[in-house]
Amino acid sequence: GESVGLHLPTLSVQEGDNSIINCAYSNSASDYFIWYKQESGKGPQFIIDIRSNMDKRQGQRVTVLLNKTVKHLSLQIAATQPGDSAVYFCAEKRGFSNTGKLIFGQGTTLQVKP
Amino acid sequence: KAGVTQTPRYLIKTRGQQVTLSCSPISGHRSVSWYQQTPGQGLQFLFEYFSETQRNKGNFPGRFSGRQFSNSRSEMNVSTLELGDSALYLCASSLAQGGGYNEQFFGPGTRLTVL
Repeated sequence: GESVGLHLPTLSVQEGDNSIINCAYSNSASDYFIWYKQESGKGPQFIIDIRSNMDKRQGQRVTVLLNKTVKHLSLQIAATQPGDSAVYFCAEKRGFSNTGKLIFGQGTTLQVKP
Repeated sequence: KAGVTQTPRYLIKTRGQQVTLSCSPISGHRSVSWYQQTPGQGLQFLFEYFSETQRNKGNFPGRFSGRQFSNSRSEMNVSTLELGDSALYLCASSLAQGGGYNEQFFGPGTRLTVL
């Protein structure tokens, strides 16, 4: 099936450090890229999105960077906390404007060591 | 505001049976999308419903079907279950207004086990 790729399956960081989770995508036609966080036993939770005509967007403790030249997306989490431990997915929206269809990557597990 | 609810949370079926899963979106949300999540394939889009009409479909066989009611609640059905259908089935809703990305809000999922 269709998918967006991720570079690393597991990332382990020390509490308080910054985390960087990477994602590669293949479809230049995607107009939005989104990061989701999924904790054990829960559905994915929206973190932040970025439109394809932007290269950076910041939220609370998170920053998403988009490099369209190399089709690369990253999520930076500042001062990583134990509560950030989860699986992180990048996703892209393709197709008409407000469609709910998202193409997800395989996910990166973030482990935060106390 | 209540979140997306899915029922049942857990389900065990045997091969050949059929199953119906239910999703109640956030009040006011008009779009409901369904996803299948497995360890091997990750999160894969099944279909999307908007105003009781399917407006987007993923690459799944015809055994997977769905519908949406006038109150935006949605059901998905899987007929002639196979072992490979064991998965977490997630429902997501969004306002689906205007252009651009409308945030998808996911439910907790229904864990289906096929024996």
